[in-house]
Amino acid sequence: EDKVVQSPLSLVVHEGDTVTLNCSYEVTNFRSLLWYKQEKKAPTFLFMLTSSGIEKKSGRLSSILDKKELFSILNITATQTGDSAVYLCAVGGNYGGSQGNLIFGKGTKLSVKP
Amino acid sequence: ETGVTQTPRHLVMGMTNKKSLKCEQHLGHNAMYWYKQSAKKPLELMFVYSLEERVENNSVPSRFSPECPNSSHLFLHLHTLQPEDSALYLCASSYSAANYGYTFGSGTRLTVV
Repeated sequence: EDKVVQSPLSLVVHEGDTVTLNCSYEVTNFRSLLWYKQEKKAPTFLFMLTSSGIEKKSGRLSSILDKKELFSILNITATQTGDSAVYLCAVGGNYGGSQGNLIFGKGTKLSVKP
Repeated sequence: ETGVTQTPRHLVMGMTNKKSLKCEQHLGHNAMYWYKQSAKKPLELMFVYSLEERVENNSVPSRFSPECPNSSHLFLHLHTLQPEDSALYLCASSYSAANYGYTFGSGTRLTVV
């Protein structure tokens, strides 16, 4: 059965700390791994990773994929209170005609204290 | 706003009621999705529409009935729901069903009493 597992499920840090969020997966015919940030309701897109070993960066956030070990990490440096959110990992594979399907993990709830 | 608009934002309904959720996008996307987000569970795919044609029905009970009259609008018709159907229902769209660049709406928080 295809699955995406995120760890930790929740994390409390102080402003300025660096955090690493983990995502491991078992998916048939892997195509891409995506990270989303969900603050209140609408998840917002962060990164899409398709190739191993190539780091993607956006400001203080970065992510990398390891297709051999089947996992990805999301790093946030110099955390701010505005980084408090649930971070969702999702993986897309080939599912017959419905190639747009994403399988989501449960998310990591990050709380950044002042 | 993300470009995907969902209404209503909140809905409380009895188990015998019939209601509909609406999703609208004007991003030029051709694929639209319904996801269910329950507490402490991953987002679960419910339905996928590509060019107004349903391409995925992820074993969803018949008390949930989707409708996609055109590529900009998606509905989820609800009838005789159960309390365990209470959840956040998220709509998303993407350029095509093979494209993972989802844009999500803010969701409808549904409570079934």
